[in-house]
Amino acid sequence: EDQVTQSPEALRLQEGESSSLNCSYTVSGLRGLFWYRQDPGKGPEFLFTLYSAGEEKEKERLKATLTKKESFLHITAPKPEDSATYLCAVQPASGGYQKVTFGTGTKLQVIP
Amino acid sequence: SQTIHQWPATLVQPVGSPLSLECTVEGTSNPNLYWYRQAAGRGLQLLFYSVGIGQISSEVPQNLSASRPQDRQFILSSKKLLLSDSGFYLCAWRDWGEQYFGPGTRLTVT
Repeated sequence: EDQVTQSPEALRLQEGESSSLNCSYTVSGLRGLFWYRQDPGKGPEFLFTLYSAGEEKEKERLKATLTKKESFLHITAPKPEDSATYLCAVQPASGGYQKVTFGTGTKLQVIP
Repeated sequence: SQTIHQWPATLVQPVGSPLSLECTVEGTSNPNLYWYRQAAGRGLQLLFYSVGIGQISSEVPQNLSASRPQDRQFILSSKKLLLSDSGFYLCAWRDWGEQYFGPGTRLTVT
């Protein structure tokens, strides 16, 4: 069974204090790993897709990286508007595009 | 560009009452559509997905059902709600691997 574990569950940062969120996964062959941002009371917003170990993608202050067992979402010099819950999800190589397993997320709070 | 709509945004229903949540997508044809439920402290749980009109696959056996009467319309229903049906319901469509989510419906069963 595919599994996704995100840590920490919650993270409180001062504005400008860089840090990383972790997503550990177990899947029998990875088709893709996804990162989403979710604001309270709203649907998740797609951020990145990573396909193979060593791949990196960036968007503003966010950079996602991937190894064979985990992914990191690095947040550089965060601002209060980066406060949200960040979700990680994996899609296995087998079973079609329908099978996606989500983690429970890391709730990030950036304090001014 | 593609847009996904869900309504209602919030709903409070008594136990045993029926349910109908609607999702529509604009700007794309024949989308793969999904219903998820998100409960506090738990990951998104896939409930149903549809690859076309009238084609529904159920991932979790429960008292919910789904229908796709039109290409860009996806409906989640229940004949009798349970307390455990409370949660945040999300509709999504898929573009290759990525899924794009609607704004969600907060359902509280009392």
